[in-house]
Amino acid sequence: GENVEQHPSTLSVQEGDSAVIKCTYSDSASNYFPWYKQELGKRPQLIIDIRSNVGEKKDQRIAVTLNKTAKHFSLHITETQPEDSAVYFCAASRRGGADGLTFGKGTHLIIQP
Amino acid sequence: NAGVTQTPKFQVLKTGQSMTLQCAQDMNHNSMYWYRQDPGMGLRLIYYSASEGTTDKGEVPNGYNVSRLNKREFSLRLESAAPSQTSVYFCASSVLAGSGSDTQYFGPGTRLTVL
Repeated sequence: GENVEQHPSTLSVQEGDSAVIKCTYSDSASNYFPWYKQELGKRPQLIIDIRSNVGEKKDQRIAVTLNKTAKHFSLHITETQPEDSAVYFCAASRRGGADGLTFGKGTHLIIQP
Repeated sequence: NAGVTQTPKFQVLKTGQSMTLQCAQDMNHNSMYWYRQDPGMGLRLIYYSASEGTTDKGEVPNGYNVSRLNKREFSLRLESAAPSQTSVYFCASSVLAGSGSDTQYFGPGTRLTVL
């Protein structure tokens, strides 16, 4: 089955700086790659996703890049703010999520004031 | 629109007891999922239902059963709870997985402790 590795497990950045979280996946048939943000005690919430026919997608301060050849994808957050502090999860799926998502183990992003 | 709802929010069981976690969505979604979240492990798929009338095993199905009661409701049953099943359980739904509208929306979770 699919295996998703996520790095780093903890990331501390100064407010206003950029943060980058990286994930690799094992199944070359995976075609859907969402990113979720989870605040303490809350449910995961989708922040951005990308499909295998696209190399990059942006939404304001957030961007995701996908390298299908290398089987890795990354989340980029620019101009970080205190409210960006949370745990971020990457995930991958074949068939656009039809058979569920395989998640990475998460990155705890800490924004230092 | 309540979205995805789960009951109960918290539950404590003794080893060997049984219980059913309930999940419902009011977004007319076709696909529903159950995940468990353990510290440092991310979320892992237990079972899913791609459409009403179908269910399939995910990554960690042992010790669980599911029922897709109707389009809105998808329940998860623990027949004989074990301490290893202590976890936070999340239900999720999506319009129709693989359709291009793949976003999975999560419920608030059920925190289960098995003593």
